[in-house]
Amino acid sequence: EAGVTQFPSHSVIEKGQTVTLRCDPISGHDNLYWYRRVMGKEIKFLLHFVKESKQDESGMPNNRFLAERTGGTYSTLKVQPAELEDSGVYFCASSQVSSGANVLTFGAGSRLTVL
Amino acid sequence: GQSLEQPSEVTAVEGAIVQINCTYQTSGFYGLSWYQQHDGGAPTFLSYNALDGLEETGRFSSFLSRSDSYGYLLLQELQMKDSASYFCAVKGSGSARQLTFGSGTQLTVLP
Repeated sequence: EAGVTQFPSHSVIEKGQTVTLRCDPISGHDNLYWYRRVMGKEIKFLLHFVKESKQDESGMPNNRFLAERTGGTYSTLKVQPAELEDSGVYFCASSQVSSGANVLTFGAGSRLTVL
Repeated sequence: GQSLEQPSEVTAVEGAIVQINCTYQTSGFYGLSWYQQHDGGAPTFLSYNALDGLEETGRFSSFLSRSDSYGYLLLQELQMKDSASYFCAVKGSGSARQLTFGSGTQLTVLP
């Protein structure tokens, strides 16, 4: 079984530019989550999809962040325009509906560096 | 809101036993989880406790005391490959229903 795949693994952009991160969850996992870890701090929740619907986006920092999951398969997280404080590792995780948020399978993350 | 506290670093030698503590504050409580992350890798699920007591999975055990809002991860017969970051995470209810992670404990296993 393929795991959660994230692309790119590392992105370096300048302040003001746009970056789009992609996540392919495990096939059949309806729950998809985005998390972020900044500067070695805690892994913080950003948002949660159930299939193509945004179930909870309370963790999104501001309107420069836009997440989509068209068709309920892969998801994208766009940051536009990027700011210095957006640097960090963005993790995607997925789970089956039955396990909810109790057991998440994470991807290896997309490291974003904003210069 | 939710918050978790765990030590930032722990060092131990091969073959030893180490305990990583985690205290939490949350609205409602639906379980305490532990995840392991090697450098540059994906956080991977280790254990989940919803009820008080000890859960054992091979060399790793996890304990929960809901009355004390406290749990720990116990790693026995440490191996070099256990060097990693360990995160506790709590799931609450209402506005705290998403999994909230601690800042992680960096475990270094020395030969």
